[in-house]
Amino acid sequence: DADVTQTPRNRITKTGKRIMLECSQTKGHDRMYWYRQDPGLGLQLIYYSFDVKDINKGEISDGYSVSRQAQAKFSLSLESAIPNQTALYFCATSAGGVAGTGTNQPQHFGDGTRLSIL
Amino acid sequence: TQLLEQSPQFLSIQEGENLTVYCNSSSVFSSLQWYRQEPGEGPVLLVTVVTGGEVKKLKRLTFQFGDARKDSSLHITAAQPGDTGLYLCAGPMDTGRRALTFGSGTRLQVQP
Repeated sequence: DADVTQTPRNRITKTGKRIMLECSQTKGHDRMYWYRQDPGLGLQLIYYSFDVKDINKGEISDGYSVSRQAQAKFSLSLESAIPNQTALYFCATSAGGVAGTGTNQPQHFGDGTRLSIL
Repeated sequence: TQLLEQSPQFLSIQEGENLTVYCNSSSVFSSLQWYRQEPGEGPVLLVTVVTGGEVKKLKRLTFQFGDARKDSSLHITAAQPGDTGLYLCAGPMDTGRRALTFGSGTRLQVQP
């Protein structure tokens, strides 16, 4: 079984619909992330969470919200989807590391959710 | 805002050729990571470099961190079709974000 599981893998929906993407992990990591990937733009950070009570906005949080239901679960919501949110979405996890080294820890990614908004 | 620029954007080569891809910034990074992403999958970490001038080797892949810690390169010797993928570099965001910023990637195609 995958360490980082994203559901659904593919979703097609209409403008204005509310959508939730889910991520669960079995790695025991405290840190979880949501990214968006568009062709030619690499990965852009949407939100990240260092524990259940620590949620932070990333580079492109407008139009998105998140919920950290438990250490192992981190969901991303699009309250009212719009076509320019069509993209590939990735969840990732990482360990915290010793003080000051958190960003040196490897990030472990799920296989992504391909979201199309018509 | 710290930006990572990767070049080239696309590279198509024949099996057995050597290649180098670059990751550059005007900012100093405390560390840089390289990931490879294959179609239909998430990125997978290849290496982390943390010391200016550091060189790390992973089989036919050689990673170098610039002396000033503003740039990094990935050299592949005798490329194979299995090296095909999107290569991404990433480094810590500005102080306070405690997260990574990613470059836009180099898409490598190795033809048999």
